Amino acid sequence: EVQLVESGGDLVQPGGSLRLSCAASGFTFSVYGMNWVRQAPGKGLEWLSYISGGSSTIYYADSVKGRFTISRDNAKSSLYLQMYSLRDEDTAVYYCARYGDRQIDYWGQGTLVTVSS
Amino acid sequence: EIVLTQSPGTLSLSPGERGTLSCRASQSVDSSYLAWYQQKPGQAPRLLVYGASSRATGIPDRFSGSGSGTDFTLTISRLEPEDFAVYYCQQYDRSPFTFGPGTKVHIK
Repeated sequence: EVQLVESGGDLVQPGGSLRLSCAASGFTFSVYGMNWVRQAPGKGLEWLSYISGGSSTIYYADSVKGRFTISRDNAKSSLYLQMYSLRDEDTAVYYCARYGDRQIDYWGQGTLVTVSS
Repeated sequence: EIVLTQSPGTLSLSPGERGTLSCRASQSVDSSYLAWYQQKPGQAPRLLVYGASSRATGIPDRFSGSGSGTDFTLTISRLEPEDFAVYYCQQYDRSPFTFGPGTKVHIK
């Protein structure tokens, strides 16, 4: 069974940093591209970043480019999102999601990041 | 950036009725890279349709997708109580891999 479990969400002050993790199991992690998607309270889904299985291809949404860094450790079956210069508008539930055959096919349950002073 | 527009924003329907949800793209999207997701309150999204028209594993056949180019449709043939949720389209054709704003289907 595919499982994606996010962690690392917390309350952080504006301008602060945070690192999210996603532990994957139930599939060969290194074969699949992975994504981070977020959802602000009461709002829609926002795609943030994609990383290919071997980390050779990385994409970011303009809203986080230069502030967030996606990475992965295939030996640990883990995905990461390092977030810097956090803003109030970064407050959201952050989802880790697997890229299957041309679409996201599995999602984690999300971890909440709150940016507030 | 490909902007996806979904209509209507809200759809009020009764169980047993047919629901038609639209997703329009600002540029042509390879239909192989167009997907639909369902999200219920407090839950992660769930994949319904991929490649514009292929149902994901375990998805009932009352859900169907169609379309090509810039116009895509998700149809729910006969709404069941568990289908009342928010539905999103997403394109994976070109980065950034944008989502539409969603259509909320609620009970009339």
